[in-house]
Amino acid sequence: AQKVTQAQTEISVVEKEDVTLDCVYETRDTTYYLFWYKQPPSGELVFLIRRNSFDEQNEISGRYSWNFQKSTSSFNFTITASQVVDSAVYFCALSEVFKAAGNKLTFGGGTRVLVKP
Amino acid sequence: NAGVTQTPKFQVLKTGQSMTLQCAQDMNHNSMYWYRQDPGMGLRLIYYSASEGTTDKGEVPNGYNVSRLNKREFSLRLESAAPSQTSVYFCASSHTGIRVYTFGSGTRLTVV
Repeated sequence: AQKVTQAQTEISVVEKEDVTLDCVYETRDTTYYLFWYKQPPSGELVFLIRRNSFDEQNEISGRYSWNFQKSTSSFNFTITASQVVDSAVYFCALSEVFKAAGNKLTFGGGTRVLVKP
Repeated sequence: NAGVTQTPKFQVLKTGQSMTLQCAQDMNHNSMYWYRQDPGMGLRLIYYSASEGTTDKGEVPNGYNVSRLNKREFSLRLESAAPSQTSVYFCASSHTGIRVYTFGSGTRLTVV
């Protein structure tokens, strides 16, 4: 069975500080995808990144960066120079592959990030 | 650019009442999903439909039924609502082979 663990339930930082969100996953699949989603206070789910299991390159997008380490089954997310608008719940997720079609996402419990001015 | 549309956005039910949550997507996606979100537990899969005409149970299917009415629509029914079903429900869809999900805006359901 797939499992995603986000050990940090809540992180509070002061604006401009960096914050790193941990994500550890378990899967028996050799092919899988990892995701990060942001859920702002308005409630919608905002897609941030998708990474496949064959691509271990780290990725940077503006103030966001992701560190994928297959050897430790981790896919950590860093927000550099945090801003108040980064306050949200962040979810890490893992997809397995159906035999037929489509795929299912397994979510971690989420990490609430509070950025104080 | 509607994407995934869920109705209603809010609902209050009394214990024992029934209701159907509606979901429709206009992206020609093959797969559709229903998740529930509870505090501290992330999103948990209730049911999914890998393609039109098929449905399967997810992690927490008890107390729910689904119907994949056609390729666009996937409904979730609560036959006899219970307070434990108080949650936020999200519908999502994805294209076969493309690992990108599109989520609806959610339905906040309260069972009293």
